[in-house]
Amino acid sequence: AQSVTQPDIHITVSEGASLELRCNYSYGATPYLFWYVQSPGQGLQLLLKYFSGDTLVQGIKGFEAEFKRSQSSFNLRKPSVHWSDAAEYFCAVGLILTGGGNKLTFGTGTQLKVEL
Amino acid sequence: DAGITQSPRHKVTETGTPVTLRCHQTENHRYMYWYRQDPGHGLRLIHYSYGVKDTDKGEVSDGYSVSRSKTEDFLLTLESATSSQTSVYFCAIAAGTGTYEQYFGPGTRLTVT
Repeated sequence: AQSVTQPDIHITVSEGASLELRCNYSYGATPYLFWYVQSPGQGLQLLLKYFSGDTLVQGIKGFEAEFKRSQSSFNLRKPSVHWSDAAEYFCAVGLILTGGGNKLTFGTGTQLKVEL
Repeated sequence: DAGITQSPRHKVTETGTPVTLRCHQTENHRYMYWYRQDPGHGLRLIHYSYGVKDTDKGEVSDGYSVSRSKTEDFLLTLESATSSQTSVYFCAIAAGTGTYEQYFGPGTRLTVT
């Protein structure tokens, strides 16, 4: 069965500093990978996705992620963090269903705090 | 905005009572999902649907049932609520590339006392 590990429960960075959130996955085939962001009291918003091709993917809000098959990782990065980026971030891997669509398995999330 | 609404948004109920949560979508998506979110667990899939009257179990389906009698509505029922079902429940639809992208509703906070 697939699984996702986000080893950092909490991360604090200063505004303007760079950010990297770690995600490791376990999956038997080529994974479909996702990053979501959740602001307090809100639903989840899709930041970016990886299906195939270029291993560096760009997302919304200036985020990017790099797929590294050899390390089973899909780390999320941002060069310069803004105070509005404070939120919880979830990595997920998708299991493709025979009839179409997929089922997502989520990591436990990383809470990002931004210091002004 | 994927045109997903959830109702109610907040509910407090007593142990042993039945509860139904509704997910409504306006864009004719085929795939719909119910997740629960708990601290330290992320989101876990309860049930999903791949069409009208076509549903299947997720990883935490015990104590839950679902129904989908029309494309736009996906109902989650707790037949007899327990305190362990206190959680935030999210509905999602699949869309985008190959319908592999999931988009989430605003959530329902359920408290079972």
